[in-house]
Amino acid sequence: QQQVKQSPQSLIVQKGGISIINCAYENTAFDYFPWYQQFPGKGPALLIAIRPDVSEKKEGRFTISFNKSAKQFSLHIMDSQPGDSATYFCAASRRSSNTGKLIFGQGTTLQVKP
Amino acid sequence: DAMVIQNPRYQVTQFGKPVTLSCSQTLNHNVMYWYQQKSSQAPKLLFHYYDKDFNNEADTPDNFQSRRPNTSFCFLDIRSPGLGDAAMYLCATSRGGARETQYFGPGTRLLVL
Repeated sequence: QQQVKQSPQSLIVQKGGISIINCAYENTAFDYFPWYQQFPGKGPALLIAIRPDVSEKKEGRFTISFNKSAKQFSLHIMDSQPGDSATYFCAASRRSSNTGKLIFGQGTTLQVKP
Repeated sequence: DAMVIQNPRYQVTQFGKPVTLSCSQTLNHNVMYWYQQKSSQAPKLLFHYYDKDFNNEADTPDNFQSRRPNTSFCFLDIRSPGLGDAAMYLCATSRGGARETQYFGPGTRLLVL
């Protein structure tokens, strides 16, 4: 129940294409779903996050789609660029957590080809 | 401008030789976390502090200890590093709360010989 399952493990997209990464969770106590982006040799950084009271959040080329009934959420990267090549982690945290402990998905390595 | 600073960036130690990794923050955040990240894997939470309150994950080996002498600094001590402890160690901070952003440092790459 604590897990967040992420797919695919790796993804290759052509420049200008759409990258889609999916995550699923079981624990209905989760109420915050961030996506972190990590470049090689760097720490993860928050990319975008969503709460379960909205179905979609968009920031520039990045969009989170959230399906509460299916307990799934996904990251869409529009007009993917080589600079987007990185590892992406979805995560979840519980509303009861005062420490903001995150449960991470397994990660998706994205390669955007020029 | 660095907000979460980790030192050293690379650490080489010998099998069984104690090592300490350092993290400092300029954000004045309540919570500090230590994660272990192995190649092609997600960060794995080892423990975290909420102010002075220490929270250990159930599956964190006893070989890993932590100290937080003040708000700004947190240390990760590996008492007897094994080959399996070679990894990237990430420090992160947040204000606390379920929807607060975690800010990660650049990590310390530990190599055990």
